[in-house]
Amino acid sequence: SAVISQKPSRDICQRGTSLTIQCQVDSQVTMMFWYRQQPGQSLTLIATANQGSEATYESGFVIDKFPISRPNLTFSTLTVSNMSPEDSSIYLCSVEFLAGDQETQYFGPGTRLLVL
Amino acid sequence: GDSVTQMEGPVTLSEEAFLTINCTYTATGYPSLFWYVQYPGEGLQLLLKATKADDKGSNKGFEATYRKETTSFHLEKGSVQVSDSAVYFCALASGSARQLTFGSGTQLTVLP
Repeated sequence: SAVISQKPSRDICQRGTSLTIQCQVDSQVTMMFWYRQQPGQSLTLIATANQGSEATYESGFVIDKFPISRPNLTFSTLTVSNMSPEDSSIYLCSVEFLAGDQETQYFGPGTRLLVL
Repeated sequence: GDSVTQMEGPVTLSEEAFLTINCTYTATGYPSLFWYVQYPGEGLQLLLKATKADDKGSNKGFEATYRKETTSFHLEKGSVQVSDSAVYFCALASGSARQLTFGSGTQLTVLP
């Protein structure tokens, strides 16, 4: 596996502002994913971010609201734009590693966002 | 599409009790199956996985067997501890799709 860190670990933001979340991995990885976990809910995939190409967004998520950068093989950012209280969630990045004979996703610690 | 159905929570057990959390799935082809655990205030940790039928994943005393005939991947532990209190997520990765499909999660509380 790998060591995955996220910054910030938590934040409280005002509505209408934007927050950029960073995800750093200590190894080079091809595929990174961003998930949202709303309070008391399961995880929902926002987008898949491959280095050197545009992020691929899931249904219900758009680039204008959640722009993603992937400048190299160890780093990605997710921006939550023009925030509203409905964006209050835990945002998690994950990376894919070959573990045994199977690609397996490992998760960062998450960023806990509260929008007032 | 793919889906994962988990046992409704919350589940409350006494220490040293036997744990079962049910998980069934619907998927095309032969998915890989995973259990992740989320301790309070933390991110998700991979607990165990199985990649083909009849495989048994195990870790930290937890076990789950990939049952193709019943499309299930139930999580079990013979004797739970207070430190096992967490939310447990069943998930699958199917075919060429790299993203995970998660179940709704099951909150486990173990009382001393």
